[in-house]
Order: sequence, then structure tokens, then C-alpha cells
Amino acid sequence: NAGVTQTPKFRILKIGQSMTLQCTQDMNHNYMYWYRQDPGMGLKLIYYSVGAGITDKGEVPNGYNVSRSTTEDFPLRLELAAPSQTSVYFCASSYSILEQHTRPSEKLFFGSGTQLSVL
Amino acid sequence: KNQVEQSPQSLIILEGKNCTLQCNYTVSPFSNLRWYKQDTGRGPVSLTIMTFSENTKSNGRYTATLDADTKQSSLHITASQLSDSASYICVVRASSTGGGNKLTFGTGTQLKVEL
Repeated sequence: NAGVTQTPKFRILKIGQSMTLQCTQDMNHNYMYWYRQDPGMGLKLIYYSVGAGITDKGEVPNGYNVSRSTTEDFPLRLELAAPSQTSVYFCASSYSILEQHTRPSEKLFFGSGTQLSVL
Repeated sequence: KNQVEQSPQSLIILEGKNCTLQCNYTVSPFSNLRWYKQDTGRGPVSLTIMTFSENTKSNGRYTATLDADTKQSSLHITASQLSDSASYICVVRASSTGGGNKLTFGTGTQLKVEL
């Protein structure tokens, strides 16, 4: 299994340009997530999906869009790039395991990240 | 506001030595606590996941402890190796009946192991 694959690894955009960050997983996971990691900050959730056709906003969704047409793919779209979107982006996936207390416990599998600079 | 604080921010140790990283959290209601290892230029990789009923969990040379009463966790690394050089991130999950994973990430402790 390749796990979670993200492309591209690096990208430089000009202000106002658009792009799509690709993410695919081959583990048949239901849950997929997009995070951004800024220097000196913890990861922040942008969008997530609990299955094909279902997406929802995380903590910092402004300026981004997602779609989930298949279980495997979860692309992240930046429509009008801004300098504030300079960050490292991580895609992740997980399955939901019901513990003995019937609460879900997800182990996240991360991709290797996309370093995006908006100039 | 849910928060996860880690200390120290960075640490340098000699190969073969032990070290302990700290994590304090104010996430409520608590579901579980995870430790991840993030190598430079890579995504985080899960080391351990602990629920409120578990107070210690090991993964090879990594041992995590959890005190749900004081809301503290530690990650102990035994007999450190150069490959342990990485950022170690503490992540706490809040209980949720809705969607999403309700994770709060710490900023990480940057560990460097030297010869």
C-alpha cells in the first residue's frame, strides 16, 4: 500500500492564482482530512469528509474548497491564492474504530505534505 | 478554549541518553490523547493513542503516560538514536457526537539527538 499520497510536494503561486492540491489514499478509509501547518503553530483542520459525497468545514475553511467524489480522492482547491495561505498542507485519512466504551478512536495516516508559497 | 501545551519547545540530547517530553491539555470533554512523530519534510506518524482508562502505553523505545486527573501526558524515549531526531506532537481528541475529529494539536517539541 502506498498509504496517503499528496501532489505536488512544492508549489509557488502568485496572488490571485488558483490551484488544486491532490490527495489520494489506497487504504479504503472513510474519513479524510486537510490540515495546514504554520510555523510555531499546531495543525489546523481546513475541511474533512466522512465518506464519498460528504464534506464539512473545519476550523479554517475560508479560501478553500473540497470535493469527495470517490472514497480514494479528496482534492483541496484554492480559488484566489493569498499570502496568508502560504503554509504546509497535509492530507490525512483514518478509519473509525469503536472502542469498548463505544467512542470512536481514529488513528490518522498523513501524507508527506505540500509546501505552498503565495507571493 | 481547548488547548494543548508542550514543553520543552526544543531539546538536544546525546545518543544513547533518555529524555522525557511533556504535554498539558485543557481539552474537554476528553476522549483520547495521541503522540505523533514528525520527521523534517514528512507528515506526522502515530506513536501511541491512549484513552482515559489507560495510564501508560509503549511502542518500542517510546513510552507514553497519561494522568487524566491532572490533564498531563509525557513521552519517554529510552536509549535515544539519531533517527529519533524529529518533532514530537501531542494531540488531544475531544468527545464528539457529530462529524469531524475534534483534534487539538500541540506545537510540538523539536528533539535533536547528537553523537
